[in-house]
Amino acid sequence: EVQLVESGGGLVQPGRSLRLSCAASGFTFDDYAMHWVRQAPGKGLEWVSGISWNSGSIGYADSVKGRFTISRDNAKNSLYLQMNSLRAEDTALYYCAKENNSGYGSFDYWGQGTLVTVSS
Amino acid sequence: DIQMTQSPSSVSASVGDRVTITCRASQGISSWLAWYQQKPGKAPKLLIYAASSLQSGVPSRFSGSGSGTDFTLTISSLQPEDFATYYCQQANSFRTFGQGTKVEIK
Repeated sequence: EVQLVESGGGLVQPGRSLRLSCAASGFTFDDYAMHWVRQAPGKGLEWVSGISWNSGSIGYADSVKGRFTISRDNAKNSLYLQMNSLRAEDTALYYCAKENNSGYGSFDYWGQGTLVTVSS
Repeated sequence: DIQMTQSPSSVSASVGDRVTITCRASQGISSWLAWYQQKPGKAPKLLIYAASSLQSGVPSRFSGSGSGTDFTLTISSLQPEDFATYYCQQANSFRTFGQGTKVEIK
């Protein structure tokens, strides 16, 4: 059974940093691209960042470019999101999602999310 | 950047109704489009990928169509468990989601 479990969220002051983790199991992690998607309270979904299976291709939304860094450790079956210079507008539930290799870039499995609150 | 525009933002419907949601891309994306369903407090669930391919385990009352810039998600006969918010997502260039369509009980 595919499982994605996010952790690392919490309350942080504006301008500070936070590192999110996503522990993956139930599939061959290093065969798949992975992504972070966020959802502000009461709002829609926003893609944040994605990374290919070998970290050779990485992309970011304009809203986080230069502040967030995605990475992965295939030996540990883990995905990470380093978030620096956090702003109030980064407050959201952050989901880790697995890309569907046969699915034209869609996301076939999602974690339950970890909540990040940026506030003084 | 590719923008995705969904319509309507919300729709009120009854059990058994046919519901259609549209999604328009700001530039051509071929068939690089997916549809998701999200219920309150839950993670999104993949329904349709490659514009018209049904994800495994998803009921056949869900269908998708379109290519290029205009896409449609259709629920042929709305069931009680289908009341939720639906999002389209393009995967032609990075990723972008539509703003969502809430399907409510009439």
